Formats: sequence, C-alpha cells, structure tokens
Amino acid sequence: DTAVSQTPKYLVTQMGNDKSIKCEQNLGHDTMYWYKQDSKKFLKIMFSYNNKELIINETVPNRFSPKSPDKAHLNLHINSLELGDSAVYFCASSRPTGPRVRTQYFGPGTRLLVL
Amino acid sequence: QQQVKQSPQSLIVQKGGISIINCAYENTAFDYFPWYQQFPGKGPALLIAIRPDVSEKKEGRFTISFNKSAKQFSLHIMDSQPGDSATYFCAASSNFGNEKLTFGTGTRLTIIP
Repeated sequence: DTAVSQTPKYLVTQMGNDKSIKCEQNLGHDTMYWYKQDSKKFLKIMFSYNNKELIINETVPNRFSPKSPDKAHLNLHINSLELGDSAVYFCASSRPTGPRVRTQYFGPGTRLLVL
Repeated sequence: QQQVKQSPQSLIVQKGGISIINCAYENTAFDYFPWYQQFPGKGPALLIAIRPDVSEKKEGRFTISFNKSAKQFSLHIMDSQPGDSATYFCAASSNFGNEKLTFGTGTRLTIIP
C-alpha cells in the first residue's frame, strides 16, 4: 500500500522517559511534517523537512527533536516526557499537486499518553 | 493567536440535508484553503481545496464557497449522509500550500437518520 505510516500507533509511558515515534512515506514526496493534535482536537504544526532539511521549526520545547535520515523518513524523539505531551502526533508528507500548489497527506497518528 | 476561526464547533444535520461549516481568516497572505475530514482514530484526509482566484469549487456533494473581500470561506455538504459524520477542519496556507498549514478548531458533524 502507498501511504504515510507511523509506529507505534499507541504509546503509554511514564513522565521523564525518552521516546521516539517513527514515520515513513512511500509516496515519493519531498516534504514531511510533524503535527500535534491536543485533547480539544486542535492541530498545530511542529516541524517540517524538505529533502532532509529542516524548513519549519515552530515554537516547540527543545525536548522535541526531529530527525530525517532520508527523504522517506521523519522521526520524532521526545526527551524527558511531561504530562502535557499527551496528545496525538501526526506525520504528514506533501508533494506539488498543481501549478505552485502543494497538498499534504496525513498518517494515522500516534496516540501518546504520559502517566 | 488563532488565525483561522471555524464555526460551529458541532453540528447536527438530518440525513439528506445541507451541512454548512464556516471559516474566517485574518492573514491576507493566505492563498490556499483546504478542507480536511477526520474520522475517529484516523488521520485527517484532504477533502477539497480552493485558491482565491475562484469563488466556488465543487466536487461531488462537497462545495467550497470563497469570499475574498470578507476573508471567509465555507464548506457545504449537499444531501448529507450518515457516512459524512466526522470532524471537519478548514485550513489556510500561503504560497499555495508551500508554507505551513494553519488549521481551524474543527467542527464535529453528526448526520442523523
């Protein structure tokens, strides 16, 4: 299947732990993103990479560090997890879909619960 | 600062009726306006998108209406079906989607028989 995939789907962990979420896309897209969706379903971008280069870095605690080993992968590492980090994290990727237009496609999400 | 305001927060429509969700934006640099549909436990999926050079775009039962002077755009779902029950997000971006997407707060749509 061609898609944006994330692992794990669910992540339950204790405060203070370090965890990683992995994202892979086999769509041949050149740009990948991480979004956070909070308990009120508000979606906010965290990071974006284009061809492995960081292009968007929103106001996110430096405990969050993205890593893009290649164009098809964008991982998110979180240090010293806090209760407020509990959320659904979505990976997305994008490609140009028309004259100057770029469309984003989202993965299924990783539900993170920090206890 | 909420740059894209979405209303209503929740909406209940009878099967066969028209569902209307509204969004307003502040940033005049926005030039790409997609709508995403999200089912419980799934990621958002692109439904339909519009650029400000047209006032309306229709795809099947889904229509975006765009009012550039009022800085408002809306999603109309005709002949609403129970399978349309989902959360809908409007979004906006500049540089035709090449910049970050700013999302509205979402509308939970329920279609009742």
